[in-house]
Amino acid sequence: NAGVMQNPRHLVRRRGQEARLRCSPMKGHSHVYWYRQLPEEGLKFMVYLQKENIIDESGMPKERFSAEFPKEGPSILRIQQVVRGDSAAYFCASSPETWSEQFFGPGTRLTVL
Amino acid sequence: SQQGEEDPQALSIQEGENATMNCSYKTSINNLQWYRQNSGRGLVHLILIRSNEREKHSGRLRVTLDTSKKSSSLLITASRAADTASYFCATDAGSNTGKLIFGQGTTLQVKP
Repeated sequence: NAGVMQNPRHLVRRRGQEARLRCSPMKGHSHVYWYRQLPEEGLKFMVYLQKENIIDESGMPKERFSAEFPKEGPSILRIQQVVRGDSAAYFCASSPETWSEQFFGPGTRLTVL
Repeated sequence: SQQGEEDPQALSIQEGENATMNCSYKTSINNLQWYRQNSGRGLVHLILIRSNEREKHSGRLRVTLDTSKKSSSLLITASRAADTASYFCATDAGSNTGKLIFGQGTTLQVKP
């Protein structure tokens, strides 16, 4: 049973470009959470999705960031017109239901030059 | 300030000793989870303890929860060099979406 998959593991973008981060949850999990971790800090919640629905996006920056979890395929976190401050590790987690264990992927480390 | 705050921020012990890390939080919770993160890697889930539970064990790990004090502790017994990592507690802060609020973590170094 494969764990949570994220790709790419490392992503380098220049300022102004777009970054697309993908997350495939564990088999049987329909709940996906995205978190961001800045260097030497804990993780910060960004968005919570179920299939085709955004449930809670209270941690998402109001501009440039969007997320989706289509009926088919992985969840996507999209960052438009990246800036240096977007450089961070982005983690996806999945769970089978709302208040159960969240299992994390290996993360995508985004570097904005 | 953080919903979850770990204490101490850093801990250095010898192999074989026990390591205790504490976590305090501010609001009511449904559950509290502990995670381990090795440098530059993803998070590994250790234990979930629900608000109506007081103690849980998993191998060399023991987690306690005191909801009256809004605190939890993680005890690692007979530590090994491989336990060297950062440890985070995370609560759902009573949310109805299950989103986790993480503390800053405790960095544990176990010397061989």
